[in-house]
Amino acid sequence: GESVGLHLPTLSVQEGDNSIINCAYSNSASDYFIWYKQESGKGPQFIIDIRSNMDKRQGQRVTVLLNKTVKHLSLQIAATQPGDSAVYFCAENEDNFNKFYFGSGTKLNVKP
Amino acid sequence: SQTIHQWPATLVQPVGSPLSLECTVEGTSNPNLYWYRQAAGRGLQLLFYSVGIGQISSEVPQNLSASRPQDRQFILSSKKLLLSDSGFYLCAWSFTSGRTYEQYFGPGTRLTVT
Repeated sequence: GESVGLHLPTLSVQEGDNSIINCAYSNSASDYFIWYKQESGKGPQFIIDIRSNMDKRQGQRVTVLLNKTVKHLSLQIAATQPGDSAVYFCAENEDNFNKFYFGSGTKLNVKP
Repeated sequence: SQTIHQWPATLVQPVGSPLSLECTVEGTSNPNLYWYRQAAGRGLQLLFYSVGIGQISSEVPQNLSASRPQDRQFILSSKKLLLSDSGFYLCAWSFTSGRTYEQYFGPGTRLTVT
């Protein structure tokens, strides 16, 4: 599969601050992206998705931004809480919703 | 609502022994099913996916195999485990079409090959 990677392997933020997790992808044909959150010892959980015909999508305290020009995806978490501490993965898909390719993940540490 | 089960939760097996991990989904019909492996501190590697009973697609060559004997049952097997097979194995399902493409993950199986 195409390469999907993250700029920062770890990110430490203060509780209450905003967090930004970045992801670069190399397949310009990818047209659907998902952000997942994985807590220690558990399976990943869906956070938010975005299609390539959008450049921004908002959820509850989270926003995903997509820049197709530079093939970059970011996840913004507002007012980060201790419960947000986890590993975050981006995953991409190219017109085949049977298969997703995951990046290596970014660990988010929220300091009280 | 839909639920996904995996067992066992943890497993310690010697090199050369066989493996069988099971995954079942409840509350939906004809789901897409997936097996992933996650090495410590790494991302998810797609191993197999299935769009229907008896239909298995392999993503990477390896000594693992998968089977789907029933609509909502997905099994990961090996005849002889290698040390490199250690990892966290995740099963996931998704709707086939017409809804979201989100994958729903099970709790995972931690496999240690000694």
